[in-house]
Amino acid sequence: KQEVTQIPAALSVPEGENLVLNCSFTDSAIYNLQWFRQDPGKGLTSLLLIQSSQREQTSGRLNASLDKSSGRSTLYIAASQPGDSATYLCAVNYGGSQGNLIFGKGTKLSVKP
Amino acid sequence: EAGVTQSPTHLIKTRGQQATLRCSPISGHTSVYWYQQALGLGLQFLLWYDEGEERNRGNFPPRFSGRQFPNYSSELNVNALELEDSALYLCASSKGQGGYGYTFGSGTRLTVV
Repeated sequence: KQEVTQIPAALSVPEGENLVLNCSFTDSAIYNLQWFRQDPGKGLTSLLLIQSSQREQTSGRLNASLDKSSGRSTLYIAASQPGDSATYLCAVNYGGSQGNLIFGKGTKLSVKP
Repeated sequence: EAGVTQSPTHLIKTRGQQATLRCSPISGHTSVYWYQQALGLGLQFLLWYDEGEERNRGNFPPRFSGRQFPNYSSELNVNALELEDSALYLCASSKGQGGYGYTFGSGTRLTVV
């Protein structure tokens, strides 16, 4: 069964700290992997998309890495800010006839001023 | 470029009634996906439509159904509403099978009383 796990489930850090969110997936035959952010009661905002052939992607203070062979991805947030407080979701796309994304349950991040 | 738009934003229905949720994808996207996010639970895949056809379906009863129109917009219908159908329903769109990633709308909050 294809599953996506995110650790930790919740994280609280002081402002300015660098942090890493982890995502693991059971089936390494992925098409691509996408990181999203969700604010309470809102939709999902796409942060980074990593294709299966890529090792990492960067956008501003965010860097996502992908290690297909070990079934892992990390999202690194540099110099965290209170505005980064949200739930971060990792989603795997296996392509083909499946089509849909498989989501982890997310990491709820709280950045304290 | 307009994003994925969903309507209505909020919907309150009585148990046993029917609910209709609507989604307009990003221009040029042919695939539409529906997800359910119940309180405290992760994102659960409901339906995938591409080029007007249902391509895949999640583990939901037949009273969850939908369709995709020639302009690629989509409708999700939930018949015989139950209290546990109360959730945030999110729509996403992509080009083909998500090789360029998925873009989500802001969701419809369905409350069944």
